[in-house]
Amino acid sequence: EVQLVESGGGLVQPGGSLRLSCAASGFTFSPYWMHWVRQAPGKGLVWVSRINSDGRSTSYADSVKGRFTISRDNAKNTLYLQMNSLRVEDTAVYYCARVDSGWDYFDYWGQGTLVTVSS
Amino acid sequence: DIQMTQSPSSLSASVGDRVTITCRASQSINNYLNWYQQTPGKAPNLLIYAASSLQSGVPSRFSGSGSGTDFTLTISSLQPEDFATYYCQQSYSTLYTFGQGTKLEIK
Repeated sequence: EVQLVESGGGLVQPGGSLRLSCAASGFTFSPYWMHWVRQAPGKGLVWVSRINSDGRSTSYADSVKGRFTISRDNAKNTLYLQMNSLRVEDTAVYYCARVDSGWDYFDYWGQGTLVTVSS
Repeated sequence: DIQMTQSPSSLSASVGDRVTITCRASQSINNYLNWYQQTPGKAPNLLIYAASSLQSGVPSRFSGSGSGTDFTLTISSLQPEDFATYYCQQSYSTLYTFGQGTKLEIK
């Protein structure tokens, strides 16, 4: 069974840092591109970042570019999101998601981890 | 960035109704359009990919159509478990974008 389990969320002050992890199991992790998607409380889904299979190619939404870094460790079957210079507007549930290699749809999602940025 | 606009933002309907949700892209995205369903407190669930392909395990009352810039999601006969929020998402550009969502509520 494919499973994606996020961790690392919590309460952090504005300007602080947090690293999210997404542990993958039930499938061969290394060939898949992976993404982070977030959802602010009561709001819609917003794409954050993606990484290719070997980790050498990444993309970011303009709202997080220069502050967030996506990475992966294929030996540990784990995806990461390093979040620096956090802002109140970064408060959201963060989901990791796997992308199908053909049409690039999100076929599996984690349960999400809540990041709250507040003083 | 490609903007995705869904309509309506909310919709009230009854069990057994046929409903249609529309999604419009700011530029052509061919068939790179996916639909998700989300219930409160849960992760989104893929319904339709490539505009009209039904994801495995999704009931056949869900269908998708369209190409280019205009797409629709249709639920042929609403069931109680279908009251949720629906999102479209384009995967044509590597800067993926979602529609703002359509909340489907019980009338």
